[in-house]
Amino acid sequence: IAGITQAPTSQILAAGRRMTLRCTQDMRHNAMYWYRQDLGLGLRLIHYSNTAGTTGKGEVPDGYSVSRANTDDFPLTLASAVPSQTSVYFCASSGGGPTDTQYFGPGTRLTVL
Amino acid sequence: AQTVTQSQPEMSVQEAETVTLSCTYDTSESDYYLFWYKQPPSRQMILVIRQEAYKQQNATENRFSVNFQKAAKSFSLKISDSQLGDAAMYFCAYRSVGNTPLVFGKGTRLSVIA
Repeated sequence: IAGITQAPTSQILAAGRRMTLRCTQDMRHNAMYWYRQDLGLGLRLIHYSNTAGTTGKGEVPDGYSVSRANTDDFPLTLASAVPSQTSVYFCASSGGGPTDTQYFGPGTRLTVL
Repeated sequence: AQTVTQSQPEMSVQEAETVTLSCTYDTSESDYYLFWYKQPPSRQMILVIRQEAYKQQNATENRFSVNFQKAAKSFSLKISDSQLGDAAMYFCAYRSVGNTPLVFGKGTRLSVIA
């Protein structure tokens, strides 16, 4: 089934540890995005990539890094996790075009203790 | 930068009744897209409806319709014949033309009362 997969589904992490959230799409979409969702704040953009090999910063990029080595994968890395990074993380992709729609993965719930 | 405001943190509606969720946005662009996403307890983000700013006709998808007022920068969602399965968090979102990220409102939690 075409779509976006994220792994892990949930994770509890000790502060200071490194963590990579995985995101893979099989729709050959050019653009991919990472958002975090926090209660009362909606979804906020962390990083994005318009095409393989390029990335950009969103509204809340500090403490996160991304890479886009190929079209399908867009991992998000927390180099040294802090409790304020406790959140639900969504990966999304879009293929472009006049009626472009973003499709979302199922999300990863991350708890940093 | 664009902003999206949802002024109703929570709403409730009786089953089979109609409810309207409010959304306003701020932009200096003349062409853009607006979306309503539904997030049920499963956490999945589900696209409900989409509106292109250059279209004057309001979008409709079955029981869901929008009232798009471009001059007022308003984009409300009307849910008719509400069902228990409509209970969810609803997010209004804005996107500029091109492969650009979404800008989300903070969401409205809708409860449906049997």
